Amino acid sequence: GENVEQHPSTLSVQEGDSAVIKCTYSDSASNYFPWYKQELGKRPQLIIDIRSNVGEKKDQRIAVTLNKTAKHFSLHITETQPEDSAVYFCAASRGGSQGNLIFGKGTKLSVKP
Amino acid sequence: SAVISQKPSRDICQRGTSLTIQCQVDSQVTMMFWYRQQPGQSLTLIATANQGSEATYESGFVIDKFPISRPNLTFSTLTVSNMSPEDSSIYLCSVEWGAWYGYTFGSGTRLTVV
Repeated sequence: GENVEQHPSTLSVQEGDSAVIKCTYSDSASNYFPWYKQELGKRPQLIIDIRSNVGEKKDQRIAVTLNKTAKHFSLHITETQPEDSAVYFCAASRGGSQGNLIFGKGTKLSVKP
Repeated sequence: SAVISQKPSRDICQRGTSLTIQCQVDSQVTMMFWYRQQPGQSLTLIATANQGSEATYESGFVIDKFPISRPNLTFSTLTVSNMSPEDSSIYLCSVEWGAWYGYTFGSGTRLTVV
């Protein structure tokens, strides 16, 4: 079946450094790729997303890139801050069906002051 | 984005009992989704709730265990039936808002089965 692989599972960086999280997906029909941030005890929050007709999208310190040919997409966080510490999940839409998201296993990001 | 109210926020239940979780959205949405997040794990889709039709369940989830209601375009319930400790998880509802696949989550229900 379809799946999304996410790496690394944990990531520790110094404040101010950049962090990169990578995901690969298996369903070639996936056309929507959101990223969620989940702080401890809270709901996942959408932080950025990208659609298959775009190769890169940026929002302040956060950017996402998509390589459809290789079926992978990445989250880039620059100038990390302690409040960026959380678990980050990537997801991919399941084919052309509306509404189904398949999630990666998550990356626990720790930003050390 | 849509505002989702989910309740209860948490509960501790005895094994063998059932719990119904409610999800209320502040606007009409076509589809509502129910996810499970086991401790320290990712999110797994349980089912898609469509108004006016039976819910569509993912592999590994069955209607007898997780019956879902969707009486209108702003409300859905998920029942966790005949609970066992393995059902201890966070259950989240989710909706798509806007016309471009943005999905937002409710605050979740943290269920502990003892």
